[in-house]
Amino acid sequence: EVQLVATGGGLIQPGGSLRLSCAVSGFIVNDKYISWVRQAPGKGLEWVSIFYSGGATYYADSVRGRFTISRDSSNNTVSLQMNSLRVEDSAFYYCVGGEGSSYFDYWGQGTLVTVSS
Amino acid sequence: YVLTQPPSVSVAPGQTAILTCGGSNIGARGVHWYQQKPGQAPVLVISYNIDRPSGIPERFSGSNSGNTATLTISRVEAGDEAVYYCQLWDRHTDHWLFGGGTKLTVL
Repeated sequence: EVQLVATGGGLIQPGGSLRLSCAVSGFIVNDKYISWVRQAPGKGLEWVSIFYSGGATYYADSVRGRFTISRDSSNNTVSLQMNSLRVEDSAFYYCVGGEGSSYFDYWGQGTLVTVSS
Repeated sequence: YVLTQPPSVSVAPGQTAILTCGGSNIGARGVHWYQQKPGQAPVLVISYNIDRPSGIPERFSGSNSGNTATLTISRVEAGDEAVYYCQLWDRHTDHWLFGGGTKLTVL
């Protein structure tokens, strides 16, 4: 059974940093495309970043230069380092796996990030 | 590139729901659809315009032509009430885009 468990969310002040982690079971992270997708409470879905199985990474314009996605093959995890956080970064952050690069097959339960003073 | 979805669609049980996703020449792209029920993570219901993942009922079908992609839900049930999002990969920008979502209400 495929599971993606995201942890690391919490309350952080504007300008602060937070690191989200996604523990994956049921497949090897090196073999799939792993993304972070966020959703502000009551709002729609927004893609944040993706780590290709081949190693390439991509970011949404709204987070490029502030967020960094990384992969730890030894622990089968993917992380999202979030720096210079803004109020508008507040959202549930879903860790998502894809068989292909175009869409999202497997969704975790999400972790809530709240950026507020 | 912008994906446009109507905010809401209402349908009676047993009827057919037609949910649209508009975009410039979207028929040339692969569109994917997700169902999200309250308090839950989204679930992929259609990939590449027409493919239904394992476990998704045959009542769910998709099409894509011209400037509109469509998710059709036949014989709608109360359990289909959810927000539905369309999504595609924009190869020109390497961005993954979502529509704003359509809330399906079963009357």
